[in-house]
Amino acid sequence: EVQLVESGGRVVRPGGSLRLSCAASGFIFDDHGMSWVRQAPGKGLEWVGGINWSGTITDYVDSVRGRFSTSRDNAKNSLYLQMNSLRVEDTALYFCARVRSAGPGFDCWGQGTLVTVSS
Amino acid sequence: QSALTQPASVSGSPGQSISISCTGSSSDIGSSHLVSWYQHHPGKAPKLIIYENRQRPSGVSNRFSGSRSGNTASLTISGLQAEDEADYYCCSYARGLTFDVFGSGTKVTVL
Repeated sequence: EVQLVESGGRVVRPGGSLRLSCAASGFIFDDHGMSWVRQAPGKGLEWVGGINWSGTITDYVDSVRGRFSTSRDNAKNSLYLQMNSLRVEDTALYFCARVRSAGPGFDCWGQGTLVTVSS
Repeated sequence: QSALTQPASVSGSPGQSISISCTGSSSDIGSSHLVSWYQHHPGKAPKLIIYENRQRPSGVSNRFSGSRSGNTASLTISGLQAEDEADYYCCSYARGLTFDVFGSGTKVTVL
């Protein structure tokens, strides 16, 4: 069964750091690019950042560029999101999502992990 | 990096057809030709229902169809059913091979 399981979300103070993980199983991990997508309370989906299959190309939405960094360990079938200088507005449910091997589109999603930034 | 524009809500009666528009610009929908659509029931993982403007993944009902013209993409749900009540999002490349932008989301209500 294809599965993505996020972890690492918790309550953190503004200015703090957090590392999210996404464990992949049931498919060949390095056949796929991966992305992080978040949903703030009462809001829609927002693409946060993405990484190609080898980890050599990353990109981010402007609001997190310079603060967030995504990486992957293909040997461990794992995706990571390092979040620094966290702001209240980063509070959201963070999903990891698999990019289709044949083109754009996210064909598998995790259930999400909740990050709350609050003093 | 503005979100693609979708109507906030669309409603219909069981059996009816509804359409959801997704309007972008020449920087995203107009240039990428690669729009995907997602169904999201709150509390669950989003689900891909359309990719590459009009393609359906295996297992997705043929009641869902997609199209694209210029800077606008559309999702049509025909034969509306109670389980179609959910939030729907479009998504497009906006730059390069890794940058994506989602639509603002549309809540579909089955009356």
